[in-house]
Amino acid sequence: DAGITQSPRHKVTETGTPVTLRCHQTENHRYMYWYRQDPGHGLRLIHYSYGVKDTDKGEVSDGYSVSRSKTEDFLLTLESATSSQTSVYFCAISETVAGVFSTDTQYFGPGTRLTVL
Amino acid sequence: GQNIDQPTEMTATEGAIVQINCTYQTSGFNGLFWYQQHAGEAPTFLSYNVLDGLEEKGRFSSFLSRSKGYSYLLLKELQMKDSASYLCAVRGLYGGATNKLIFGTGTLLAVQP
Repeated sequence: DAGITQSPRHKVTETGTPVTLRCHQTENHRYMYWYRQDPGHGLRLIHYSYGVKDTDKGEVSDGYSVSRSKTEDFLLTLESATSSQTSVYFCAISETVAGVFSTDTQYFGPGTRLTVL
Repeated sequence: GQNIDQPTEMTATEGAIVQINCTYQTSGFNGLFWYQQHAGEAPTFLSYNVLDGLEEKGRFSSFLSRSKGYSYLLLKELQMKDSASYLCAVRGLYGGATNKLIFGTGTLLAVQP
């Protein structure tokens, strides 16, 4: 299994407060991703990183920001949490950009369950 | 637009075979993945197809037809521990980055004794 940890694993917070979730990897993989998973929607990409200080938006990036100052850490910040951001957040990593015959599989961390009251 | 369809739920009997279908319409195609996700856990990688045909891995096989935008995951000799959600994900070409995955909503498989 890929060495990926997420912290915290569970968090309850109140509307309007800032929240930061951390993803840490020990695989030295270049790509890191943040997803959220909600019933009826499947996994949706929030932001991703293709290297230190290189990040880009996914399909549901509004209300979220990310930072990657080291290869091993990718932080997801909710500047002012809202109830609609109650979800399970998964971090994933992959090694390289896919080539024609490269699987470049994404491996997932254990997830963080966030509740915004 | 991007769309991936899978059945929401399926039920099967221990020891039997079950086929979970996935159809997709995406902007470009650069591979299809199947993941297994037990309740409360992370998705784990099962299989990858990029060329047409069948890929076999033990009890699990995955098939792809790119011309039909269709894949299936075949689970043989079902065990109770196979009760889980099965996620279909397509890697396409979105906004210049080729490794983004689009996920279906998953198929919840219940294996009964």
